[in-house]
Amino acid sequence: TQLLEQSPQFLSIQEGENLTVYCNSSSVFSSLQWYRQEPGEGPVLLVTVVTGGEVKKLKRLTFQFGDARKDSSLHITAAQPGDTGLYLCAGAGAGNNRKLIWGLGTSLAVNP
Amino acid sequence: ETGVTQTPRHLVMGMTNKKSLKCEQHLGHNAMYWYKQSAKKPLELMFVYNFKEQTENNSVPSRFSPECPNSSHLFLHLHTLQPEDSALYLCASSQEWGRAFYNEQFFGPGTRLTVL
Repeated sequence: TQLLEQSPQFLSIQEGENLTVYCNSSSVFSSLQWYRQEPGEGPVLLVTVVTGGEVKKLKRLTFQFGDARKDSSLHITAAQPGDTGLYLCAGAGAGNNRKLIWGLGTSLAVNP
Repeated sequence: ETGVTQTPRHLVMGMTNKKSLKCEQHLGHNAMYWYKQSAKKPLELMFVYNFKEQTENNSVPSRFSPECPNSSHLFLHLHTLQPEDSALYLCASSQEWGRAFYNEQFFGPGTRLTVL
């Protein structure tokens, strides 16, 4: 059974701090997606990484896909209260099984 | 309307009630999904429809019955639910090519369901 572990589960920081959240698995993924979910809303796609070692930047957010395509990280620079939310990663299986495997998420609170 | 819409946003029902959740996507996608989101559990995929055909049913109890009349609309009919079915039910859509399922998902806001 494929599993995606996200860490930490909860994170509370002050505005302006930097942080990194992780998404790890023992399985290889063909691609990995990051979503942010705000309270009372559905998840919103932030980025998809496809190539091992790939780095993508979205303003203050930096996403990296591990070389072996088993793990990923999200780094936020100078966090703002608007970054508050649940960050979910989802990996698409390799080969013919492209089913998405979801992590539990990292709940981030950025305090003003 | 834009994106993916869901109604109602909140629903409280008794165990003997029958209700339906509605989802509509305005993105021109060809695949639609129902997910269940519960505390301390990963998102659980319930049903997948591709070009109106159900392509996946992840061992969901028969008290949940999906319906997809066209590629823009998806329903989830509920009857004789249990309290443990209380959760956030999310609808999503995506554009798929062939059997390359589960591309980037566009979610609706969800229906918060409480079963008493």
